[in-house]
Amino acid sequence: SYELTQPPSVSVSPGQAARITCSGEALPKKYAYWYQQKSGQAPLLVIYEDSKRPSGIPERFSGSSSGTMATLIIRGAQVEDEADYYCYSTDSSGNHGWVFGGGTKLTVL
Amino acid sequence: QGQLVESGGGVVQPGRSLRLSCGASGFTFSSYGMHWVRQAPGKGLEWVAVIWYDGKNKYYGDSVRGRFSISRDNPKNTLYLQMSSLRVEDTAVYYCARDGQLGMSGMDVWGQGTTVTVSS
Repeated sequence: SYELTQPPSVSVSPGQAARITCSGEALPKKYAYWYQQKSGQAPLLVIYEDSKRPSGIPERFSGSSSGTMATLIIRGAQVEDEADYYCYSTDSSGNHGWVFGGGTKLTVL
Repeated sequence: QGQLVESGGGVVQPGRSLRLSCGASGFTFSSYGMHWVRQAPGKGLEWVAVIWYDGKNKYYGDSVRGRFSISRDNPKNTLYLQMSSLRVEDTAVYYCARDGQLGMSGMDVWGQGTTVTVSS
């Protein structure tokens, strides 16, 4: 079955840039999406279609995709950005199945 | 913006069935695809199923295909997940989430989740 691979954890100091990667064989052909989940809360969409930002999401959140890797970048990370981040995409088999990456715990301190 | 409220969770024995519901308000429910996503205790998110805006197409994750069934009642603004042959590993918080018509635009509205515990 299709898999998306993320690093388990990323740590940055406040004000630094945080980069979270997501690797998947179908990413050259399929969009990546990114969700933020804070402790005890439902997920929140922060990036869709590789690099688009929903309304209300701060400009410091951005996304890119190149080849088999998608990247979420948080420029000037803040303490309130500490959360789990999940990438999300579909494979290219045509079975319309979706998959989440394993998640990355972002620590900002 | 819209609101989603899940219900129907609880404790159930292995092998039994359970039906979850997701009530929608504040948006035109019949114009959106809908997903179920679950999260086992201390684990990551797992996509479960998607249904198109008109209910004509449904797709499932490998771990639930053949046991779970997603459906919707557009006049009642309600999404369902019928779960059968439940296993201990189905224990999770189940979220419903809104997407574009064909479920391919990103899930932009989420409920707060309902907890399902499968245990003898």
